[in-house]
Amino acid sequence: GQNIDQPTEMTATEGAIVQINCTYQTSGFNGLFWYQQHAGEAPTFLSYNVLDGLEEKGRFSSFLSRSKGYSYLLLKELQMKDSASYLCAVRDGGNTPLVFGKGTRLSVIA
Amino acid sequence: GAVVSQHPSWVICKSGTSVKIECRSLDFQATTMFWYRQFPKQSLMLMATSNEGSKATYEQGVEKDKFLINHASLTLSTLTVTSAHPEDSSFYICSASIPTGGVQPQHFGDGTRLSIL
Repeated sequence: GQNIDQPTEMTATEGAIVQINCTYQTSGFNGLFWYQQHAGEAPTFLSYNVLDGLEEKGRFSSFLSRSKGYSYLLLKELQMKDSASYLCAVRDGGNTPLVFGKGTRLSVIA
Repeated sequence: GAVVSQHPSWVICKSGTSVKIECRSLDFQATTMFWYRQFPKQSLMLMATSNEGSKATYEQGVEKDKFLINHASLTLSTLTVTSAHPEDSSFYICSASIPTGGVQPQHFGDGTRLSIL
């Protein structure tokens, strides 16, 4: 089976750094993806990892450890507009559909 | 810019009505598209995989006769919710990956919010 876990909610302060963790157990692995979803909107792609290590894209970075089945999304210099749900998703092979975690609802406060 | 286009954005209709949702890939051919459903404050749940020129693959628990999928061209997949009832009210989202090789993310349409009265 497939299992993807991430915290349900997090709160962080504007200008700070926040790390959202994701652990997964899947039968195969062909990439771990992070999406941002604002309330009432569709998810938008943020970052992905296939190999171990850190991928940096501006204020967002994502890390992967395949041996540990672990990833995190790091958001720096938090802005109020970063308040959203962050979805961790795994593809277990080829062009198979992504399997999503339940999402982490991040609230950025002043 | 947008990679996947979905229409309509909102549908409100009476119970028993059938509703068709269109999903188009923009500027690329998608032999495979995916349909997800999302209930309030829950995650995206895969409903089915739409395959161009062949039958869709449905996830366990999704009624294929109720959720009809047609993928007749390389840029268009449609989902028809037949005889919709209030419990079918949800956010329906399609997605596709650009087939340029390597690992590609899925890009999502804007979603269709379906409300059945």
